Amino acid sequence: EAGVAQSPRYKIIEKRQSVAFWCNPISGHATLYWYQQILGQGPKLLIQFQNNGVVDDSQLPKDRFSAERLKGVDSTLKIQPAKLEDSAVYLCASSPGLAPSGDTQYFGPGTRLTVL
Amino acid sequence: DQQVKQNSPSLSVQEGRISILNCDYTNSMFDYFLWYKKYPAEGPTFLISISSIKDKNEDGRFTVFLNKSAKHLSLHIVPSQPGDSAVYFCAASTSYNTDKLIFGTGTRLQVFP
Repeated sequence: EAGVAQSPRYKIIEKRQSVAFWCNPISGHATLYWYQQILGQGPKLLIQFQNNGVVDDSQLPKDRFSAERLKGVDSTLKIQPAKLEDSAVYLCASSPGLAPSGDTQYFGPGTRLTVL
Repeated sequence: DQQVKQNSPSLSVQEGRISILNCDYTNSMFDYFLWYKKYPAEGPTFLISISSIKDKNEDGRFTVFLNKSAKHLSLHIVPSQPGDSAVYFCAASTSYNTDKLIFGTGTRLQVFP
């Protein structure tokens, strides 16, 4: 079974530029998460989708971050404009079913973003 | 406000010995706890969990202990193997929202021969 795919793996941009990350979850997984992991910290949930609907975006900085999951499969996370403090690894995870739990989250390898 | 804390950023253990990774939490509403393991350039993978109705959960070489009164949990790896070298994150959630994870900062474990 293929795991969670993310691209690109690395991205370097200058502040105020825009960037987008893509995630393809495990086939059939209804729930999709985006996490931000700043160096030296643990992952922090940004947004959670169930199929193509947003379940929780309470920690998403909505003035600059946006995410969508059209058709309930792939998802994109966008930052516009980027700030220096957005430098982090962005992790995508997916979970089967409509009653997900922490032990059924499968993480992708992440996208490492560096903002200069 | 760091609700889940891993105060040891790194730990070095000899192969065959016990590794003990510690985690403290502050929110008394947390009642479900997990450990994740992360290799470089990979995402975290689930390792073991424990709910607050238990004080111990064992899976092969891995055992998690929970001390609710102290708001402390620990992961024991016995015996430690070089392949266990990774970053270990503890995470906490509530039983009504077990997928809403609050992660600690991680402990880098190195197992040397």
